[in-house]
Amino acid sequence: EVQLLESGGDLVQPGGSLRLSCAASGFAFGGYDMNWVRQAPGKGLDYVATIDFSGATIYYADSVKGRFTISRDNSMNTLYLQMNSLRAEDTAVYYCATRNACANGVCYGLQQWGQGTLVTVSS
Amino acid sequence: DIQMTQSPSTLSASAGDRVTITCRASQSINNWLAWYQQKPGKVPKLLIYKAFSLESGVPSRFSGSASGTEFTLTISSLQPDDVATYYCQQYNTYPWTFGPGTKVEIK
Repeated sequence: EVQLLESGGDLVQPGGSLRLSCAASGFAFGGYDMNWVRQAPGKGLDYVATIDFSGATIYYADSVKGRFTISRDNSMNTLYLQMNSLRAEDTAVYYCATRNACANGVCYGLQQWGQGTLVTVSS
Repeated sequence: DIQMTQSPSTLSASAGDRVTITCRASQSINNWLAWYQQKPGKVPKLLIYKAFSLESGVPSRFSGSASGTEFTLTISSLQPDDVATYYCQQYNTYPWTFGPGTKVEIK
């Protein structure tokens, strides 16, 4: 069974830093692209970042580019999100999510999600 | 970035009704569109991928269709268990983007 378990969420002051982790189990983590998606309280889903299976290719939402860094440790089956220069608008539940590899030219949406970890940015 | 819009923002219908939610992309996304269901306090769940392919285990009352940059999610017979917010998402181009969501309620 695929399991994604996020941790590291906390209350942090504006301008501060935080590192989130997502521990993966139940699948071959090193073969899958991984993603972070966030959801502000009472708001919709907001894409944050993607890292490919090897860590060589990375994408970010414009809103976090230059402040957040996605990384992974395939030996530890763990995904990370380093968040710097945090702002009030970064307050959200942060989910890690993944999907099965594309097959026969068909790619899937995000099929597996963790339960999320809450980041609150406030003074 | 590709902008995604959804309509309506809220929908109230009776059990058994046919319900349709529309999502529009600001440019071509080659049908790389997913639909998610998020029940209150729960994690999003994938319903549809590639605009019209039903994810394994999802009830057949859910279906998706596409016409150019306009996409629809249809629930053929609304059930009380379908009360949720529904989001579309394009995954044709990074950064991926989500629609603002449609909240579905039962009358």
